[in-house]
Amino acid sequence: EAGVAQSPRYKIIEKRQSVAFWCNPISGHATLYWYQQILGQGPKLLIQFQNNGVVDDSQLPKDRFSAERLKGVDSTLKIQPAKLEDSAVYLCASSLTSGGFDEQFFGPGTRLTVL
Amino acid sequence: AQTVTQSQPEMSVQEAETVTLSCTYDTSESNYYLFWYKQPPSRQMILVIRQEAYKQQNATENRFSVNFQKAAKSFSLKISDSQLGDTAMYFCAFNNNDMRFGAGTRLTVKP
Repeated sequence: EAGVAQSPRYKIIEKRQSVAFWCNPISGHATLYWYQQILGQGPKLLIQFQNNGVVDDSQLPKDRFSAERLKGVDSTLKIQPAKLEDSAVYLCASSLTSGGFDEQFFGPGTRLTVL
Repeated sequence: AQTVTQSQPEMSVQEAETVTLSCTYDTSESNYYLFWYKQPPSRQMILVIRQEAYKQQNATENRFSVNFQKAAKSFSLKISDSQLGDTAMYFCAFNNNDMRFGAGTRLTVKP
């Protein structure tokens, strides 16, 4: 079974530029998550999708971050414009359902450096 | 808001010995789920063990077990017979509609 795929693996941009990350979840997984992991901290949930609908985006900085999950499969996370404090690893995860006990399967992450 | 605290930023253990990682959380909810995830160096995060709050029996998965103390809001992870491959960051997580992670404990298993 293929795991969660993410691209790119690394990205370096200047502040005020825009950037997009892509995630392909495990086939059949209805729920998709985007996390931000700043160095030395645990992952912070940014947004959770159930199929193509948003379940929770309470911690997403909506003035600069946006995410979509068209057709309930792949997802993209965009930052525009980027700030220095956005430097982090962006993790995508998926689970079979949105049940609280479901195991989340994580991708390798995209490491973003904002200069 | 739910918070998860891991008070040990770093720990080390000798191969084959036992180590316990601490985790406490704060919530007013009665039903929730607790997890330990492992993030090996340069590798993906994977689930180690999980516990449903309404179950009193502590979860076990081979060499991994938890000590769940609901009243104390404590959820520690015990690793028995530590192996070199257990070297990783360990994150405690709490889920009640949205997942919250602790800051992690870096565990090093020494030969």
